[in-house]
Amino acid sequence: QSVLTQPPSVSAAPGQKVTISCSGSSSNIGNNYVSWYQQLPGTAPKLLIYENNKRPSGIPDRFSGSKSGTSATLGITGLQTGDEADFYCGTWDSSLSAVVFGGGTKLTVL
Amino acid sequence: QVQLVQSGAEVKNPGASVKVSCSTSGYTFTSYVMHWVRQAPGQRLEWMGWINAGNGNTKYAQKFQGRVTIIRDTSASTAYMELSSLRSEDTAVFYCARDSCSGGVCYTGAFDIWGQGTMVTVSS
Repeated sequence: QSVLTQPPSVSAAPGQKVTISCSGSSSNIGNNYVSWYQQLPGTAPKLLIYENNKRPSGIPDRFSGSKSGTSATLGITGLQTGDEADFYCGTWDSSLSAVVFGGGTKLTVL
Repeated sequence: QVQLVQSGAEVKNPGASVKVSCSTSGYTFTSYVMHWVRQAPGQRLEWMGWINAGNGNTKYAQKFQGRVTIIRDTSASTAYMELSSLRSEDTAVFYCARDSCSGGVCYTGAFDIWGQGTMVTVSS
């Protein structure tokens, strides 16, 4: 099982908003930055959010990130069918001395 | 533009080793750390380790310690990941991914550029 816990799936209608949670502990999310990745089917992951809430160049502001305590959240507004993908959170775990990822959340845009 | 191009798919017998390459372009290779990530079919991302392309220092995930070796060739701006004693559970796509920070590891888990992935199948 993953060190970081994500819901297996979320769904929402086009145009709506969805949030994806990522729960960890003080050794990872609680004391380190969180990143979020989008993995479209059959492709490599793409960095969406880094340092909890920053977006790399080219990532639309429909994607947002936040962190509170030992949990982080990815928000996506104005959902499009092209957003359907697996989403992963990731961070450094100071106890394991390793990068850790969540189990992934499959987004379905109904 | 910045690109990471990995070597092609491999099929290996159990017990063998595999070496995957990650050829880079569009940036100063020695200024960044390169990570390797494994993803078994339908499974989550799994960090394997990194190499500081500047000084060659490496760090491996405990799970892969003793089986994985990451090296780099600065003259070719290429990183390599070798995994030995392969078993069926190692069947996966292996990715190289650049750390988002220049000059060293940021310890953030933020990888800004990824290779296209290399499928390794372990089967007798």
